[in-house]
Amino acid sequence: SQKIEQNSEALNIQEGKTATLTCNYTNYSPAYLQWYRQDPGRGPVFLLLIRENEKEKRKERLKVTFDTTLKQSLFHITASQPADSATYLCAALYNFNKFYFGSGTKLNVKP
Amino acid sequence: DADVTQTPRNRITKTGKRIMLECSQTKGHDRMYWYRQDPGLGLRLIYYSFDVKDINKGEISDGYSVSRQAQAKFSLSLESAIPNQTALYFCATTEEGAGDNEQFFGPGTRLTVL
Repeated sequence: SQKIEQNSEALNIQEGKTATLTCNYTNYSPAYLQWYRQDPGRGPVFLLLIRENEKEKRKERLKVTFDTTLKQSLFHITASQPADSATYLCAALYNFNKFYFGSGTKLNVKP
Repeated sequence: DADVTQTPRNRITKTGKRIMLECSQTKGHDRMYWYRQDPGLGLRLIYYSFDVKDINKGEISDGYSVSRQAQAKFSLSLESAIPNQTALYFCATTEEGAGDNEQFFGPGTRLTVL
């Protein structure tokens, strides 16, 4: 089965800096990758999607890239704020029916 | 009111008991999913359903069964609960072919099997 890998170590950054989170996949490319935010005790909330044939997508302070050569997606939050502190999940869709999630990376933004 | 609801929110049970977790949605979506979340393992797909007559196994379906009673309702059962089924369970919905195929998640059910 497909494996989606995210850095399990927490990312600690200073407010105002850019946070960069990594998502790697094995085997073949998914149709697209999604990024979700999860706060403690709550369900994930969708943030952004990027398709296999897209290099980059932006939404407000968020940017996601998709590199099929490296089998990797990067998720950036610019001008980070303490309110951005959460766990961020990467999800890959294969065959337009199954989602595979990474284990998530916890982001801590310090004032 | 929440678009995706799950009941119960918390449940403690004993090994060997039968447990049912329920999920309801008001979004009118066709597709519904059940996941479990364990620390360090992320979300893993248990079962998914594309309509009332379409049920599919996910990565980790052993020990679980599901029922899609209506478009809006999707239940997950543990026929004989065991301690390694202790986890946080999420239901999610999405609409086929809609935009970003965004999944909408319920608030989760925390299940503890003693």
